[in-house]
Amino acid sequence: DGGITQSPKYLFRKEGQNVTLSCEQNLNHDAMYWYRQDPGQGLRLIYYSQIVNDFQKGDIAEGYSVSREKKESFPLTVTSAQKNPTAFYLCASRARSGLTDTQYFGPGTRLTVL
Amino acid sequence: GNSVTQMEGPVTLSEEAFLTINCTYTATGYPSLFWYVQYPGEGLQLLLKATKADDKGSNKGFEATYRKETTSFHLEKGSVQVSDSAVYFCALSRTFSGGGADGLTFGKGTHLIIQP
Repeated sequence: DGGITQSPKYLFRKEGQNVTLSCEQNLNHDAMYWYRQDPGQGLRLIYYSQIVNDFQKGDIAEGYSVSREKKESFPLTVTSAQKNPTAFYLCASRARSGLTDTQYFGPGTRLTVL
Repeated sequence: GNSVTQMEGPVTLSEEAFLTINCTYTATGYPSLFWYVQYPGEGLQLLLKATKADDKGSNKGFEATYRKETTSFHLEKGSVQVSDSAVYFCALSRTFSGGGADGLTFGKGTHLIIQP
């Protein structure tokens, strides 16, 4: 089955530690995205990548970093510089070609900082 | 900049009631508009979309029409079921002039509760 996987589903971190969230897709999509979801605030864009080895900051990139070494993978690192990292993190992907701009989402990772 | 405003929740309805969730937007250019649904503890699922003015998106009994004159994309369903209980997000695409997409702008979400 084609789709987007995120792991782990739940993640706990101590303050001051970096942590990396995994996102993998087998949809052959070129573009990938990371969003953060907080209660009552909808989703906000952290980073996005339209092609391998290229990525751009979104609206709330401070305290986060990404890499895009492979088309299928777009890991997100939450660094100790992120002041309020507890949230639900969602990865998405989109086919670049054609007119479609529909994004498909993974199941999410809930990060809790202890 | 781009923004999406949707009605605050929770919205509580009885089964078989008519549903409307309002969504209005502010955007430059001609964005595509989307409704996504999120069930507890899960990611977002695309419910429907519309790519240009007067387009109607529909899926699973839900409908929404892209109204450029009122900058709206209201979600409707004629008869809701308990299984429709979820959080619904209205969103618009953000595009470069060159055609690349740099993500979606979301509303804050509307929590829908359907009682039997």
